[in-house]
Amino acid sequence: KAGVTQTPRYLIKTRGQQVTLSCSPISGHRSVSWYQQTPGQGLQFLFEYFSETQRNKGNFPGRFSGRQFSNSRSEMNVSTLELGDSALYLCASSRQGSTNEKLFFGSGTQLSVL
Amino acid sequence: AQSVTQLDSQVPVFEEAPVELRCNYSSSVSVYLFWYVQYPNQGLQLLLKYLSGSTLVKGINGFEAEFNKSQTSFHLRKPSVHISDTAEYFCAVSDWAGGFKTIFGAGTRLFVKA
Repeated sequence: KAGVTQTPRYLIKTRGQQVTLSCSPISGHRSVSWYQQTPGQGLQFLFEYFSETQRNKGNFPGRFSGRQFSNSRSEMNVSTLELGDSALYLCASSRQGSTNEKLFFGSGTQLSVL
Repeated sequence: AQSVTQLDSQVPVFEEAPVELRCNYSSSVSVYLFWYVQYPNQGLQLLLKYLSGSTLVKGINGFEAEFNKSQTSFHLRKPSVHISDTAEYFCAVSDWAGGFKTIFGAGTRLFVKA
């Protein structure tokens, strides 16, 4: 069974640009969560999608958005990039998005904003 | 809302020595707790989880954790570490506040020295 796949693996952008990251969950998983990881800050929750609906959102500005498609694949978009957006963006999936389930993580997309 | 505090940002230890990584969580009616490990340039993977029942939970790679409700702690232990255990370890708690999310601590970097 294929794991969680994130593309691209690395991205370099300049301030003011926008970026779209992609995540394909494990087959059969309907919940996809996104996290931002920076040194010293740990993982900060961005949002969670289940069956194409955003069920929860973290404390990030509106420049961060996402969506989920009918096949459970998810994308997140960051508009008007800032230097502080440089981070590892991790996607995680689970079957039902229940609190007793473990998360399966992708390897992440390393975003560098210059 | 739930929160997680990892009390040590870095833990250096010699090979074959025991180690304890400390984690405290905010109290709630019911709590599901997790420990994840992140090896360099990889996503996170589950070490172990506590859902209910026995307070001593055994995980992969010889790790175990003890759930202590009175002290709101979930410390991770290993009796004898290996060089290959060098990684970052994250304590996490699942929350359902209007929607599913997993909240992570800031992480503890375990560095095993020869």
